[in-house]
Amino acid sequence: GEDVEQSLFLSVREGDSSVINCTYTDSSSTYLYWYKQEPGAGLQLLTYIFSNMDMKQDQRLTVLLNKKDKHLSLRIADTQTGDSAIYFCAEIDSWGKLQFGAGTQVVVTP
Amino acid sequence: DAGITQSPRHKVTETGTPVTLRCHQTENHRYMYWYRQDPGHGLRLIHYSYGVKDTDKGEVSDGYSVSRSKTEDFLLTLESATSSQTSVYFCAISEQGSSYEQYFGPGTRLTVT
Repeated sequence: GEDVEQSLFLSVREGDSSVINCTYTDSSSTYLYWYKQEPGAGLQLLTYIFSNMDMKQDQRLTVLLNKKDKHLSLRIADTQTGDSAIYFCAEIDSWGKLQFGAGTQVVVTP
Repeated sequence: DAGITQSPRHKVTETGTPVTLRCHQTENHRYMYWYRQDPGHGLRLIHYSYGVKDTDKGEVSDGYSVSRSKTEDFLLTLESATSSQTSVYFCAISEQGSSYEQYFGPGTRLTVT
């Protein structure tokens, strides 16, 4: 997972926007993913983006992809306390297997 | 939610004992995966299966073996557990269609004392 890098922690106030950043290494990745993990639970697929797209919006979630810089970001609008979780960025490698980042702990404060 | 269960959900075992974790799916997906999750490492792939009796190693396969005799079940065995195998283990499934989406089970917390 060390080929995919994320910052480890993000604190955000309720109602603000959160931006979680990720850099990846495999330029041939066809899909990039964001997963959410709540305490004591498995990973839940939040959204994904195909590599020929720059942006994908899904309700409060916006994914931006910069292929030139191999940079992926997830923006959560109007962050709520229920958004407190660990968020994982992942890429598909050339063997068709997911490579995960270490995860970003997002803490939402009132 | 995808129909994936893992058993047991929690286990404490002693160093040197064999341990088998089970993953069961009701989705009839072809691909199944075992990951371990450790702080600072995200999820790392242990083994995966691309069909009944077809398995392959992931990046951290040493000390682990797997078996898949039925589409719905994927077993992970620690032949002789060590303290370094204390971790949370997740099973995932996918049909590996055009988007390679993987769906995760609830996890098994394993402690080796």
